[in-house]
Amino acid sequence: AQKVTQAQTEISVVEKEDVTLDCVYETRDTTYYLFWYKQPPSGELVFLIRRNSFDEQNEISGRYSWNFQKSTSSFNFTITASQVVDSAVYFCALGLEYGNKLVFGAGTILRVKS
Amino acid sequence: GAGVSQSPSNKVTEKGKDVELRCDPISGHTALYWYRQSLGQGLEFLIYFQGNSAPDKSGLPSDRFSAERTGGSVSTLTIQRTQQEDSAVYLCASSSGRQTTIYEQYFGPGTRLTVT
Repeated sequence: AQKVTQAQTEISVVEKEDVTLDCVYETRDTTYYLFWYKQPPSGELVFLIRRNSFDEQNEISGRYSWNFQKSTSSFNFTITASQVVDSAVYFCALGLEYGNKLVFGAGTILRVKS
Repeated sequence: GAGVSQSPSNKVTEKGKDVELRCDPISGHTALYWYRQSLGQGLEFLIYFQGNSAPDKSGLPSDRFSAERTGGSVSTLTIQRTQQEDSAVYLCASSSGRQTTIYEQYFGPGTRLTVT
């Protein structure tokens, strides 16, 4: 069975702090895809990144970076110099090659205070 | 271009009534998904459509739930004899994925269903 665990229910930081959101996944498949989505207070899920299981290269996009480590089955997300607009619920998700659906973690609420 | 649209945005219904929720996917996307998000919870997969293939209904919680996708585009999720535990936000997503891989899914704004 597939499972995604986001152990951090809620994180509060002060603006400009760096923050890392943890994601641990479980699957027996060798081909799979990992995703991060942002759900701001408006409610609409926003796609952030897709990663396949064969690409362990870390990725950086502006203030966002992702650290994929197969050895620990983790796909952590770091926001550098956080801003108030980063306040949202962040979801990590796992998709399989033939599974078609995404399995989501419970989400981490990030609150960035000014 | 236009994103995924859903209607209505909010629906309040009495227990026991039937409801229909609509989803318009991004034009050209062959894959369409329905998820449910209960208060403070993650997203729960309900059903998946890919082209003309038989849908994956493995996530539907009971036989009161059904969904159709007409002409490979618009989809309707129907809940019969609604119960209070059906109250949730119902999210639709579409992607350009094929059956042998999975691409990013783009989500609509959701329909908030409240069963009184």
